[in-house]
Amino acid sequence: ETGVTQTPRHLVMGMTNKKSLKCEQHLGHNAMYWYKQSAKKPLELMFVYNFKEQTENNSVPSRFSPECPNSSHLFLHLHTLQPEDSALYLCASSLGTYAELFFGEGSRLTVL
Amino acid sequence: TQLLEQSPQFLSIQEGENLTVYCNSSSVFSSLQWYRQEPGEGPVLLVTVVTGGEVKKLKRLTFQFGDARKDSSLHITAAQPGDTGLYLCAGARYQGAQKLVFGQGTRLTINP
Repeated sequence: ETGVTQTPRHLVMGMTNKKSLKCEQHLGHNAMYWYKQSAKKPLELMFVYNFKEQTENNSVPSRFSPECPNSSHLFLHLHTLQPEDSALYLCASSLGTYAELFFGEGSRLTVL
Repeated sequence: TQLLEQSPQFLSIQEGENLTVYCNSSSVFSSLQWYRQEPGEGPVLLVTVVTGGEVKKLKRLTFQFGDARKDSSLHITAAQPGDTGLYLCAGARYQGAQKLVFGQGTRLTINP
């Protein structure tokens, strides 16, 4: 139990569906992140939020839309995804940006 | 171009053997973190090294940060099946704001 909870753990969606991933942290951290983990590739940073303000968008396609209503919650809204978007999406939080990261267990996404 | 190169990418050894995993770069990092990720879980931080030449021990795991802060190694003594997992190194660099760069990981399997 890392204090970062992600739901759902598994998601299968069609290319025309709209779904959302949710992340919640109970650690009192101020920074939250979305990472994408694909086979044989390094962890790819997608978005960074610090005190619920987006501080980094790592050239992520607009079909991925993040939302951070407060420092404890982070969403990733998904719309018209491609099969190559299938991956493990990891949420993380930290006290201060890029301090030690605490990861959730990830949401395994499959796009058909 | 991979900023942080980990080697080997895959390693399968017998219980009780020793092993070393390397994390190399041509860039200087302010600190370097090592994470372990088990199947179905998110990465969990093992250690952070900050000073060039620093050595940290965590039971049977020994972490070293290179003198020039460009590389790091993880040595495991008398490996156990519970050490099985994906080992990730992540270097922190300051580029206006601090950024974290991950290696592609070393997948370690310890056979009983």
